[in-house]
Amino acid sequence: EDQVTQSPEALRLQEGESSSLNCSYTVSGLRGLFWYRQDPGKGPEFLFTLYSAGEEKEKERLKATLTKKESFLHITAPKPEDSATYLCAVQPPGGFQKLVFGTGTRLLVSP
Amino acid sequence: ETGVTQSPTHLIKTRGQQVTLRCSSQSGHNTVSWYQQALGQGPQFIFQYYREEENGRGNFPPRFSGLQFPNYSSELNVNALELDDSALYLCASSGPSVTEAFFGQGTRLTVV
Repeated sequence: EDQVTQSPEALRLQEGESSSLNCSYTVSGLRGLFWYRQDPGKGPEFLFTLYSAGEEKEKERLKATLTKKESFLHITAPKPEDSATYLCAVQPPGGFQKLVFGTGTRLLVSP
Repeated sequence: ETGVTQSPTHLIKTRGQQVTLRCSSQSGHNTVSWYQQALGQGPQFIFQYYREEENGRGNFPPRFSGLQFPNYSSELNVNALELDDSALYLCASSGPSVTEAFFGQGTRLTVV
């Protein structure tokens, strides 16, 4: 069964304190790995899609990387506005566009 | 803003009632997926519509049904509501190449 596990469940950082979030996955034939940011009560906001091991993508203070078993979301010098839940999802093989999500990492960045 | 809009934003229903949620997809996107997100959990795939046909379904009972219209907008219908149906319902739209899936702001459904 396709599975996504995110760690840690929650992370508290001081402003400027860099860290990484982990997403490990079990899926046969990964079509894509997605990262989203979600603010309380809102829909997920698309960040990145990664397709193959070794691929990296960056956006402002965020950088996502992918290996054959896991993905990391690196946050460099975070600011309080980066506080949110970060969701990882995989797209298994098949003819449709189902995403399998992890439970997310709740990030709190204190000033 | 993603261009994916959902309505209503909140609603409260009584157990046993029926509900219809609506989604307008982003311009140029012909595929709409629906997800259920319980509090503290990741979204769970309900089903997907492509060219007005359901072409993928998750582990949800038949009382969860949907429609897609020629303009690619979509509805999610839930019959015989149960307390456990209380959740944030999310709609996502994507284009033919599926490199990105954009979500709406969600509908918060409370069943009492």
